[in-house]
Amino acid sequence: EAGVTQFPSHSVIEKGQTVTLRCDPISGHDNLYWYRRVMGKEIKFLLHFVKESKQDESGMPNNRFLAERTGGTYSTLKVQPAELEDSGVYFCASSQSSGAWQFFGPGTRLTVL
Amino acid sequence: QKEVEQNSGPLSVPEGAIASLNCTYSDRGSQSFFWYRQYSGKSPELIMFIYSNGDKEDGRFTAQLNKASQYVSLLIRDSQPSDSATYLCAVKSDSWGKLQFGAGTQVVVTP
Repeated sequence: EAGVTQFPSHSVIEKGQTVTLRCDPISGHDNLYWYRRVMGKEIKFLLHFVKESKQDESGMPNNRFLAERTGGTYSTLKVQPAELEDSGVYFCASSQSSGAWQFFGPGTRLTVL
Repeated sequence: QKEVEQNSGPLSVPEGAIASLNCTYSDRGSQSFFWYRQYSGKSPELIMFIYSNGDKEDGRFTAQLNKASQYVSLLIRDSQPSDSATYLCAVKSDSWGKLQFGAGTQVVVTP
């Protein structure tokens, strides 16, 4: 069974540009989470999808971040326009149910110059 | 005050010894507790979870939970060099799955 996959693995962009990160959860997992780790800090929750619906987006830092999960399969996280403080590693995780443990993807390392 | 606190380390442990990692959390209503292991540049990998007070053992790993003291720990017995990694404590406080992480404890097992 394939694990959680994320694309790209690395992205380097300039301030003001747009970047879209993609996450493919484990097949059959209705719950999909986005997290972020900025340098020197702990992993922080961004948002949670149940199928295609946003269950909790309390961790989204501001309206420059837009997450979608059309059809309840893969998810995208768009940052527009990117700022320097957006640099970090963006992790996606999925689980079968909201109470189950979460499986993490390898992350996308975003660098904003 | 951070919601989930861990000593950052590094925790240096001789091969074959017991590594003891600690984690405290601030939300008394927290329900579930997880330990993830993360090798450098890799994804966090779940190694233990615990929901009830007391001890839970799985192979060389033992998780201990004390809700009254808001404290969860992880013991790694017979530590191996392959156990060298960062160990993340994660806490789930609501029913929807959002995890709150500590900053992680780096463990270095020396041969």
